[in-house]
Amino acid sequence: ETGVTQSPTHLIKTRGQQVTLRCSSQSGHNTVSWYQQALGQGPQFIFQYYREEENGRGNFPPRFSGLQFPNYSSELNVNALELDDSALYLCASSMGQGLGSPLHFGNGTRLTVT
Amino acid sequence: AQTVTQSQPEMSVQEAETVTLSCTYDTSESDYYLFWYKQPPSRQMILVIRQEAYKQQNATENRFSVNFQKAAKSFSLKISDSQLGDAAMYFCAYTGGSYIPTFGRGTSLIVHP
Repeated sequence: ETGVTQSPTHLIKTRGQQVTLRCSSQSGHNTVSWYQQALGQGPQFIFQYYREEENGRGNFPPRFSGLQFPNYSSELNVNALELDDSALYLCASSMGQGLGSPLHFGNGTRLTVT
Repeated sequence: AQTVTQSQPEMSVQEAETVTLSCTYDTSESDYYLFWYKQPPSRQMILVIRQEAYKQQNATENRFSVNFQKAAKSFSLKISDSQLGDAAMYFCAYTGGSYIPTFGRGTSLIVHP
């Protein structure tokens, strides 16, 4: 069973640039969600994709966007990067959208915006 | 909106002892799940235990158990026979009807040998 993998592990970008983070979901999982974890904080929900459709979004501006592909892998795109976007970005996959479906997380991508 | 509060930024325990991490939440929903996730320094967050709100029996997974008090909206995690490998950040999370998980700010658990 292949777990959730994220790439890259670290990234340094300049304010105003755009970034794309990638996530491969665990085998058999059709739901992917993305989280922003600032230093010393809990993960904040960005959005979720189920079968290639966004079906839930947290309190993040439109410059945070995403995609889910037919193989259920996913991308998180952030445009016009701001210094406050510096954080650990976590991807999680799950089977279906049941309330009790546990999240399986990747190792995250550490984004630094200078 | 639901909120999850972890009032203990840091807890410490001696190896082989028992420690309890606190979590309270606020919701008007009746059907929801609560989770405890562990995030070791390597960063990958893993599920420790979960509890369905409709189940009165407290969930147990080996050395990990919860004390779920629905009326008090409390969901504490008890770790028995603590091991060095238990050292990590622990996050309490809530998922309700919106299917959007809400996490607390975490509790850092230090295990002393």
